[in-house]
Amino acid sequence: AQSVTQLDSQVPVFEEAPVELRCNYSSSVSVYLFWYVQYPNQGLQLLLKYLSGSTLVKGINGFEAEFNKSQTSFHLRKPSVHISDTAEYFCAVSYQGAQKLVFGQGTRLTINP
Amino acid sequence: KAGVTQTPRYLIKTRGQQVTLSCSPISGHRSVSWYQQTPGQGLQFLFEYFSETQRNKGNFPGRFSGRQFSNSRSEMNVSTLELGDSALYLCASSQGLAPPGETQYFGPGTRLLVL
Repeated sequence: AQSVTQLDSQVPVFEEAPVELRCNYSSSVSVYLFWYVQYPNQGLQLLLKYLSGSTLVKGINGFEAEFNKSQTSFHLRKPSVHISDTAEYFCAVSYQGAQKLVFGQGTRLTINP
Repeated sequence: KAGVTQTPRYLIKTRGQQVTLSCSPISGHRSVSWYQQTPGQGLQFLFEYFSETQRNKGNFPGRFSGRQFSNSRSEMNVSTLELGDSALYLCASSQGLAPPGETQYFGPGTRLLVL
């Protein structure tokens, strides 16, 4: 069965520092990869997605992610974080033949001033 | 364009009762998916509807059901509520024409508390 593992449940960083949120997936078929962000008391907002083509994907709010097929990873990065980036981040996959998203457990990003 | 709306936003029920949640997708979107979010299980797929037909279903008991109307609005129903049904229920819509890589747009969710 396909699954998504987010390696860190919590990531604390200082403001203006770089951050990487790690995501690994398992799948025997081609996948489509997504990162969503959830702010407190809100739904999910798409940050970026990888469907095909260039393995480096740029998203909103200065985030980017790199698809690595050999390592089955899709890590999210931002070179300099802001207090407003405090939120929970979810990695998700979908794949041919399945009309659904499979989510990781989420990573809570906390920005300290 | 208005986003996905869900009503009600908060709900308190007691064990054994049933509940109906509503979701209005983005105008023009024909696919509606439902997800359950809990601290223990995370985000789990419930079901997806496209043009009034259930196209995919997650691994939930039959107490969880849904439907979609001709205007693409969707409802989900949970019968005989259990304490473990307390969760945030999220609805997501998409055009539904080119899954699975198509972006799903999420609503703010309905927070259900079962006492």
